[in-house]
Amino acid sequence: DIVMTQSPDSLAVSLGERATINCQSSQTILYSSDNKNYLAWYQQKPGQPPKLLIYWASTRESGVPDRFSGSGSGTDFTLTISSLQAEDVAVYYCHQYYITPQTFGQGTRVEIK
Amino acid sequence: QVQLVESGGGVVQPGRSLRLSCAASGLTFSSSGMHWVRQAPGKGLEWVAVVSYDGSDKFYADSVKGRFAISRDNSRNTLYLQMNSLRLEDTAVYYCAKGPPLDYWGQGTLVTVSS
Repeated sequence: DIVMTQSPDSLAVSLGERATINCQSSQTILYSSDNKNYLAWYQQKPGQPPKLLIYWASTRESGVPDRFSGSGSGTDFTLTISSLQAEDVAVYYCHQYYITPQTFGQGTRVEIK
Repeated sequence: QVQLVESGGGVVQPGRSLRLSCAASGLTFSSSGMHWVRQAPGKGLEWVAVVSYDGSDKFYADSVKGRFAISRDNSRNTLYLQMNSLRLEDTAVYYCAKGPPLDYWGQGTLVTVSS
């Protein structure tokens, strides 16, 4: 199984500052045939289901603010919130859909400093 | 708009069975891969199972393989999860989701396994 490891487990960032979350997969999730990274990022707020933010590692889902961006390839990926807003307080998960069993990272909690 | 509505959760004793349903609307259900994802209280997300758009392919997490069965009825736009031999560690909110990537999620249904 592919293990997804996120870092840090939690972080506190001042309003308007940058938040960076890392996700590392135990093997590549870059499919050579289509040159796509099979990685997504989700945001989950308390009492709500997860919400898709980013897929194919860097494609922003429709309606997601452009302060959210994804980068990386192969085994190392990053979710960046360029200017943290109060409504961004949540837990963020990475998810590989390269092979089954699909797997999630353990989550990163983002709070306001 | 797309709606996924789970039902069938509840309190069940260890070793018993439960069947979850997920009613879909606002999407071409018969063209969509569908998943179950669960979240134990206070914990992270765990992928459980996926079924292909036509029901021909099914895959499971090791933790549920041989005990859970995913299925779908495209004539009813409904996804199912048959859960047998339930264990205490199966206690979780169970979400259905379309994908991958998982672009639409239901609100979840709580399954509590307790004696």
